[in-house]
Amino acid sequence: AQKITQTQPGMFVQEKEAVTLDCTYDTSDPSYGLFWYKQPSSGEMIFLIYQGSYDQQNATEGRYSLNFQKARKSANLVISASQLGDSAMYFCAMREYRNYGGSQGNLIFGKGTKLSVKP
Amino acid sequence: DGGITQSPKYLFRKEGQNVTLSCEQNLNHDAMYWYRQDPGQGLRLIYYSQIVNDFQKGDIAEGYSVSREKKESFPLTVTSAQKNPTAFYLCASSIKAGSIYEQYFGPGTRLTVT
Repeated sequence: AQKITQTQPGMFVQEKEAVTLDCTYDTSDPSYGLFWYKQPSSGEMIFLIYQGSYDQQNATEGRYSLNFQKARKSANLVISASQLGDSAMYFCAMREYRNYGGSQGNLIFGKGTKLSVKP
Repeated sequence: DGGITQSPKYLFRKEGQNVTLSCEQNLNHDAMYWYRQDPGQGLRLIYYSQIVNDFQKGDIAEGYSVSREKKESFPLTVTSAQKNPTAFYLCASSIKAGSIYEQYFGPGTRLTVT
């Protein structure tokens, strides 16, 4: 079963509007972290925001916020006031801290959502 | 400036040849990672290293090898045993492995094998 699911292969948003990118996850580990990364066409992965499973508040970083719904196992990324430079691939990732399995708590990535911002 | 460098940006090889991808970091991070990305896919972990002279296999280590002789360097060799080596390879580092700290990524190397 997929640990990280991003159901939107592509999204369009008008410049200056807000957009939500979906991410659901699957884990039995009570201790985990959720990350969002942005990948522009240049290829580099840029860290955006982090949410810990025990964090009481939703994480925010500038125009990025994470809508964390623990019971639903979702960690959607909200980008407010979209800019043309936000056009990129966005990846949701999870790290499990106790259920190490085969990869010792390393990052597990979803397949990504391609966001296109229209002028 | 601190960061991660990968060279070269684009690499072309003939089938049957081994090729080594460079990854250097000056962030003083303990942990380093290699990921592979195929078109339309997320990243998959190849190898990781928590400390100098130690490394572990990730989810898709077959056909790859690594070394970690220095803290700042973690080269990846794609051997001729790797059946589908053409991909985008990303190197990353973090302060420590398995922690809450995010991973910082390099610019990547796009490998094409024909």
